[in-house]
Amino acid sequence: QVQLVQSETEVNKPGASVKVSCKTSGYTFTDHFIHWVRQAPGQGLEWMGYINPNSGFTKHAQTFLGRVTMTRDTSTNTAYMEVSWLRSDDTAIYYCAREGIVKALDIWGQGTMVTVSS
Amino acid sequence: QSALTQPASVSGSPGQSITISCTGTSSDVGGYNYVSWYQQHPGKAPKVMIHDVSNRPSGVSNRFSGSKSGNTASLTISGLQAEDEADYYCYSYTRGWYVFGTGTKVTVL
Repeated sequence: QVQLVQSETEVNKPGASVKVSCKTSGYTFTDHFIHWVRQAPGQGLEWMGYINPNSGFTKHAQTFLGRVTMTRDTSTNTAYMEVSWLRSDDTAIYYCAREGIVKALDIWGQGTMVTVSS
Repeated sequence: QSALTQPASVSGSPGQSITISCTGTSSDVGGYNYVSWYQQHPGKAPKVMIHDVSNRPSGVSNRFSGSKSGNTASLTISGLQAEDEADYYCYSYTRGWYVFGTGTKVTVL
């Protein structure tokens, strides 16, 4: 079955970077965009951006321009999202999700908790 | 890219129907038929309940339905059940980007 499995919990210091992975299986990786969504503790969902695994093209929410890098490795069917210059307000659960339905997210990863603390 | 506006909370008794609104602008909700709705239980990843305004994915109960009028989309849950207690988010395409709603906590009394 289709699965998105994310990397484990991270704890990082302010100013550092974190790279979250999203390993996919059960479908053709290059057929569907991968989106990234984050959720701060007790808060709502926030769209961060997406990557086209076929071309590598990315689109970011303006909030994250310059600090977030999305990449993919087609040899391992894995998408990555790196946040640089971490701040305390980057503490959140980060989800990857497949755009399996046009402009909707049908399969989600389990989420990766990233804590930014000195 | 302002978040779409949803009521913070909606409640109902078992068996009743409730409706959650999602208000945007002509640049997002009103401009495209690409509104979807997600259910999120505590500690879990979101799950798509409605896509393309009113379409239900396979496996989603027909108690969930969606609609849109102008710049406002709506999710209706009929025959409310205890398992429907969760947070619900709308999501819309907007000129190359995407935006979530502020989220609504549904409580089953």
